[in-house]
Amino acid sequence: EAEVAQSPRYKITEKSQAVAFWCDPISGHATLYWYRQILGQGPELLVQFQDESVVDDSQLPKDRFSAERLKGVDSTLKIQPAELGDSAMYLCASSHRGHSMNTEAFFGQGTRLTVV
Amino acid sequence: AQSVTQLGSHVSVSEGALVLLRCNYSSSVPPYLFWYVQYPNQGLQLLLKYTTGATLVKGINGFEAEFKKSETSFHLTKPSAHMSDAAEYFCAVTPGDSGGYQKVTFGTGTKLQVIP
Repeated sequence: EAEVAQSPRYKITEKSQAVAFWCDPISGHATLYWYRQILGQGPELLVQFQDESVVDDSQLPKDRFSAERLKGVDSTLKIQPAELGDSAMYLCASSHRGHSMNTEAFFGQGTRLTVV
Repeated sequence: AQSVTQLGSHVSVSEGALVLLRCNYSSSVPPYLFWYVQYPNQGLQLLLKYTTGATLVKGINGFEAEFKKSETSFHLTKPSAHMSDAAEYFCAVTPGDSGGYQKVTFGTGTKLQVIP
């Protein structure tokens, strides 16, 4: 069964360091999402790609976060420098081309980031 | 603009009892509505979704939800709770089929505890 792959599963980093997360969506899925989920809260969309283009990054803290999906397939989310408040689960999801959530979005297992 | 309110951050039920998780939404256009389940340190899995048509939708694991436009609600139910249902549940909303990009908004989640 096809899955959204994320790595690493867990990451501990010191504040002010750089950290990067990787996501490989399900093959053929044109839409890719990065969500941040703070403990006890629902997922919050950070950035959404349609193919290689960003369609929504309104909630992405652009002074420290960046995301890319250069060939419209896998994606990298980077934080530099990391802050204590960035500790959270980072979830990647993907769905078919077209309406962003009319079809099911499939989620990866997430990367749990702890900033110390 | 759209929003989701999940009433009760924690719900406890006895094994075999009815499960009722509440979700109310706000949307300026007819919405699409979703329920997702999340197990500890895992990504989200779609339980069920409402887009158009029948207002009572059935999902996986015996869950169902009813879209009530007059009450702006989409409550999740299951007749008989099982221990394996213990997890966190998220309601989500997105604008309906209006074409183009659609943003999904998640609720803050309800943790379901099943007591033996």
